[in-house]
Amino acid sequence: QVQLVQSGAEVKKPGASVKVSCKASGYTFTNYHMHWVRQAPGQGLEWMGIINPNGGRTSSAQKFQGRVTMTSDTSTSTVYLELSSLRSDDTAMYYCARDNSRTSKVTPVWWFDPWGQGTLVIVSS
Amino acid sequence: SSELTQDPAVSVALGQTVKITCQGDSLRSYDASWYQQKPGQAPVLVMYGKNNRPSGIPDRFSGSSSGSTASLTLTGAQAEDEAGYYCNSRDSSGNQWVFGGGTKLTVL
Repeated sequence: QVQLVQSGAEVKKPGASVKVSCKASGYTFTNYHMHWVRQAPGQGLEWMGIINPNGGRTSSAQKFQGRVTMTSDTSTSTVYLELSSLRSDDTAMYYCARDNSRTSKVTPVWWFDPWGQGTLVIVSS
Repeated sequence: SSELTQDPAVSVALGQTVKITCQGDSLRSYDASWYQQKPGQAPVLVMYGKNNRPSGIPDRFSGSSSGSTASLTLTGAQAEDEAGYYCNSRDSSGNQWVFGGGTKLTVL
């Protein structure tokens, strides 16, 4: 079955960087883009960015540009999210989610499925 | 602030029907997808497009859209449907994705 398995929880100090991994299985890795989404404690979902594992092209939300790096390793079917210059408000659960789309119809639609189990990143001095 | 607007909280009596809405200008150009999230769990896709239900999602969930509003309807709400619900779509520029602020559904 299609599955995304993320790396374990991280505790980082302000100003440091964190790298989260997301290993895909059960499908052809290079055929689907991958999103990153985060959720601060008690808050809603926030889209961070997307990567095309086939070539590595990325696009990120404006608020993260300059601080986020997304990469992929096709040999291990793994995508990575690196966030630098960490602040306390970066404390959140970070999720990867596979992109799916139907753009041939009149109204295009994209959906995120499946999701990884999440990686908790805590930023604290 | 989100480009997709949802009511923060909605309640429904057990077995009754409830509609959760998502409003945004980008929904005139793109369809929405919907996610259910229970405490301590990752989100789960429950609807995409106007009315496409993934396998395993009960048929009491249905979707619709009109103009700048997308809706998720639960017909015969069950206790296990109590959760947060988030809509998602492309933003107005079409370059990024955006989530609604989420709706906390309480089943009374």
